[in-house]
Amino acid sequence: AQKITQTQPGMFVQEKEAVTLDCTYDTSDPSYGLFWYKQPSSGEMIFLIYQGSYDQQNATEGRYSLNFQKARKSANLVISASQLGDSAMYFCAMSSLQTGANNLFFGTGTRLTVIP
Amino acid sequence: DTAVSQTPKYLVTQMGNDKSIKCEQNLGHDTMYWYKQDSKKFLKIMFSYNNKELIINETVPNRFSPKSPDKAHLNLHINSLELGDSAVYFCASSQDSAAGDYNEQFFGPGTRLTVL
Repeated sequence: AQKITQTQPGMFVQEKEAVTLDCTYDTSDPSYGLFWYKQPSSGEMIFLIYQGSYDQQNATEGRYSLNFQKARKSANLVISASQLGDSAMYFCAMSSLQTGANNLFFGTGTRLTVIP
Repeated sequence: DTAVSQTPKYLVTQMGNDKSIKCEQNLGHDTMYWYKQDSKKFLKIMFSYNNKELIINETVPNRFSPKSPDKAHLNLHINSLELGDSAVYFCASSQDSAAGDYNEQFFGPGTRLTVL
């Protein structure tokens, strides 16, 4: 069975600093996809970044990068140069072929607060 | 311009009532989903539809029934509402995923359902 673990219920970061949000996953499927979503206080779910299990390089999207360590089964999100607008809940999620490629399993989330 | 829209945004109703939430996407995606986010912010998939066929049903009570009149719409009907149904319900859509190529899901703004 798939499992996504986010061990940090809350994180604080100073504005303009970088922050890493942890995510570990457990699957026996060699093919899977890892996603990060942001949920601000307004409630919408915003897709941030994707990493495929066969991708050779870590994914990057602007200030977001994914530190993918396959052997350790971790997919940490790194946000560089934090901004006040980055304050939100962040969810790690996974899809795999074994459980249906479209089926997205979410972690419990990390609440990030950016301090001015 | 809205990619995935849901109505209503808020729904307050009495226990035992029947209600529906509508969802529409204009992204041309062929798969749509319903998620439930509980009071602890945990997101869990309820249903997905691909080409008007149900492909996932995650141990959801049969009081919940998805209805897809066409590829752009996936409505959620809930019968005999219970207090525990209070949550935020998100609709989402994506292109169909395949092995090694998992597509991000785009979420609607959510519907906050309160059962009294």
